[in-house]
Amino acid sequence: QVQLQESGPGLVKPSETLSLTCTVSGGSVSSEYYYWSWIRQPPGKGLEWIGYVYYIGRTSHNPSLKSRVTMSVDTSKNQFSLNLSSVTAADTAVYYCARVSGPGIAVYHDQWGQGTLVTVSS
Amino acid sequence: QSALTQPASVSGSPGQSITISCTGTSSDVGGYNYVSWYQQHPGKAPKLIIYEVSNRPSGVSNRFSGSKSGNTASLTISGLQAEDEANYYCSSYTTSSTLGLIFGGGTKLTVL
Repeated sequence: QVQLQESGPGLVKPSETLSLTCTVSGGSVSSEYYYWSWIRQPPGKGLEWIGYVYYIGRTSHNPSLKSRVTMSVDTSKNQFSLNLSSVTAADTAVYYCARVSGPGIAVYHDQWGQGTLVTVSS
Repeated sequence: QSALTQPASVSGSPGQSITISCTGTSSDVGGYNYVSWYQQHPGKAPKLIIYEVSNRPSGVSNRFSGSKSGNTASLTISGLQAEDEANYYCSSYTTSSTLGLIFGGGTKLTVL
């Protein structure tokens, strides 16, 4: 059973860059069958898809986040990462990493990390 | 990229059946059979319960079922149990603005 674990700072200052890493165990980020995704959930609110990355570096992200999102894969460490620049208080949320499966394309999140709370505050 | 539309809350008594709707557009729910549903208990990560409209992952109770008609997908939970009380989110593949995924706003299920 694949497991995912988010890691990174729990507190980020406004205008700085939020950086998170997801470590995958029991599976490989190099698999051609899966994409690797980031989702966030502001306190008391719903889920928002941030974006996903494929092992060869192909990415797609939520257009509402404009060009603030950067994602990458480190196959040597079996990890994938998220950078979100120019953060504001509105970026305060629980951030989840997840595996994305589907019939040749990325369509559903079948394995999730436990989530990590990131607070944006000075 | 607007969120898919779900009712904010639904409720039902133990043993009853409830249905949660999820409305999108022809660029997401209506255009593809790629709707999924997630159950989230407070303080926990979401759990996949339905994928590709009506398929259940291994280990998910057959009390959960999914369907779709036009731009609206539905999740039905039959034989309601206290443990079903949770938030439920739909999601769909989308080709609106970009190729990616979109979630619904979530529905709080209360078991009376």
